[in-house]
Amino acid sequence: DVKVTQSSRYLVKRTGEKVFLECVQDMDHENMFWYRQDPGLGLRLIYFSYDVKMKEKGDIPEGYSVSREKKERFSLILESASTNQTSMYLCASSLRSTNEKLFFGSGTQLSVL
Amino acid sequence: GQQLNQSPQSMFIQEGEDVSMNCTSSSIFNTWLWYKQDPGEGPVLLIALYKAGELTSNGRLTAQFGITRKDSFLNISASIPSDVGIYFCAARSGTYKYIFGTGTRLKVLA
Repeated sequence: DVKVTQSSRYLVKRTGEKVFLECVQDMDHENMFWYRQDPGLGLRLIYFSYDVKMKEKGDIPEGYSVSREKKERFSLILESASTNQTSMYLCASSLRSTNEKLFFGSGTQLSVL
Repeated sequence: GQQLNQSPQSMFIQEGEDVSMNCTSSSIFNTWLWYKQDPGEGPVLLIALYKAGELTSNGRLTAQFGITRKDSFLNISASIPSDVGIYFCAARSGTYKYIFGTGTRLKVLA
């Protein structure tokens, strides 16, 4: 089975802190994604990567950056956390050939105080 | 920007009832998807649709790709308690990019 693992299930940070969210997949998928999920807004794409060291902005990239140094790992970075970044963050991966089938991690609930 | 609007936002139904939900947009898409998110988990793909007018089933679930290519529909027949969760539509908006809808939260009363 494909496994997408997010490093933390719950995270509490303070305003202004630098925050790293880590995601690892074990199925050699080319594509990786970061979404945030907020009630009433659904899932919104922050960034995605279709290859190592490649990244593309999604719909809401402001305040975030990403890193993909290895194929299996995709990191989301909040340079200076703010309270409006309190949210559920979901990582996903997919094969390039069947890219509509996204495999999601269980999510990281981030609270910024 | 492109948006997918789902309705209803939430629904309570009795076990055994049929359920219908839909997803609409002002934009045209070439691929529509339906995902389900169980509590505490990430979404899982249920059905993928690739052609306008297409009707595809997965067990008790049936989804349709609207002929205008601006909407999609999901039906669940004879609902059971494990159908509870959030259902998301999604549409392909780029080579690797998918946008998701606002979600329909389903609660099933036994």
